[in-house]
Amino acid sequence: EVQLVESGGGLVKPGGSLRVSCAASGLTFKNAWMAWVRQAPGKGLEWIGRIRSETDDGKADYAAPLKGRFTILRDDSKNTLYLQMNSLKTEDTAVYYCTTGLKRGEYFDSLFYWGQGTLVTVSS
Amino acid sequence: QTVVTQEPSFSVSPGGTVTLTCGLTSASVSTSSYASWYQQTPGQAPRTLIYNTNTRSSGVPDRFSGSILGNKAALTITGAQADDDADYYCVLYMSSGIWVFGGGTRLTVL
Repeated sequence: EVQLVESGGGLVKPGGSLRVSCAASGLTFKNAWMAWVRQAPGKGLEWIGRIRSETDDGKADYAAPLKGRFTILRDDSKNTLYLQMNSLKTEDTAVYYCTTGLKRGEYFDSLFYWGQGTLVTVSS
Repeated sequence: QTVVTQEPSFSVSPGGTVTLTCGLTSASVSTSSYASWYQQTPGQAPRTLIYNTNTRSSGVPDRFSGSILGNKAALTITGAQADDDADYYCVLYMSSGIWVFGGGTRLTVL
């Protein structure tokens, strides 16, 4: 059974930085494409970005509005995914979900399995 | 900027049928959009219902089905039940390599 457990959320001041983590189990992590999705209070889901497996070049793609402030990283030796968030704004307050999935023919579905999320609050 | 559109809200009677749609402001949705659908209830993480346009996830009741209707992806619930009362989100894959979620549909079963 695939399990994704996020951690590291909390209260941070505007302009600050935070790194949240996602510990993965039940899958071959080094082959998995991993993603982050967030949900602001009372709002919808927002795709943040996705990182490919190292064998598929290990690069990440990001939603345009977040590119430059958010960075997705992975440590295959620890089966852990990270989201580094810099220059945080109050509108970054959200539950941050880690997701992954399976290779399905010609694409990798990185939005199939979901963790329970970690809350990040940006406030002074 | 590409926007994924969903009906903000919908209402269905118990036992009724409802179709939620997922479109693009500047293009047609196709099977290459690899649409997925999610159900979310308050305080819970989203649950994957449908992936790759029309494949039901394991354990999802067969009253949920996915398809392409015209130029949109669609989620049809046939024989709605009280516990289908939830928020529903679609996500589409873009040719630029990113995914974009729709704004979600609040489905009320009453």
